[in-house]
Amino acid sequence: EAGVVQSPRYKIIEKKQPVAFWCNPISGHNTLYWYLQNLGQGPELLIRYENEEAVDDSQLPKDRFSAERLKGVDSTLKIQPAELGDSAVYLCASSLVDSARFFGPGTRLTVL
Amino acid sequence: AQSVAQPEDQVNVAEGNPLTVKCTYSVSGNPYLFWYVQYPNRGLQFLLKYITGDNLVKGSYGFEAEFNKSQTSFHLKKPSALVSDSALYFCAVSPGNYGGSQGNLIFGKGTKLSVKP
Repeated sequence: EAGVVQSPRYKIIEKKQPVAFWCNPISGHNTLYWYLQNLGQGPELLIRYENEEAVDDSQLPKDRFSAERLKGVDSTLKIQPAELGDSAVYLCASSLVDSARFFGPGTRLTVL
Repeated sequence: AQSVAQPEDQVNVAEGNPLTVKCTYSVSGNPYLFWYVQYPNRGLQFLLKYITGDNLVKGSYGFEAEFNKSQTSFHLKKPSALVSDSALYFCAVSPGNYGGSQGNLIFGKGTKLSVKP
């Protein structure tokens, strides 16, 4: 069974540029999460989807971050414009209802 | 405030010796507790979870964890460490009754485990 797929794996951009990350969850997983992991820290939730509905986006900085999961399957997380402090690893995870989360390999973003 | 503490930034163990990675938590209700492992340049992998029942939970790769409600701890253990166990270990907790997909999972800062031959 394929795991959670994320692309790109690495991204280097200059500040003020836009950037987008893509995630394809495990087939059949209705819940999808985006996490932010700073160096030396544990992941922090940005947004959680149940199917196509964002049910928890309280930690998403909405002035520059946006996300979508239009058909309730894959998802895109966007930052526009990127700031230096956005340099981090962006993790996507998925799960069934009441099951453990399965994480993708992450996208490492470097903002110069 | 709900939180997870991993008091050790790094744990060093000789191969073949037992290992313990510590975790304490502070959440309301009856928590759901998890351990994840992260290898370099890879995503977090689920090791084990405690929901209810037996306080000793067995997981992947020979790891186990013991839930201690009075000490609010959920330490990760393995009887005999392998060099390949060297990785970053994260403890995570979800508030009671939302331990599955519905609740916010709060992660500790992680503990780097180094197993030497």
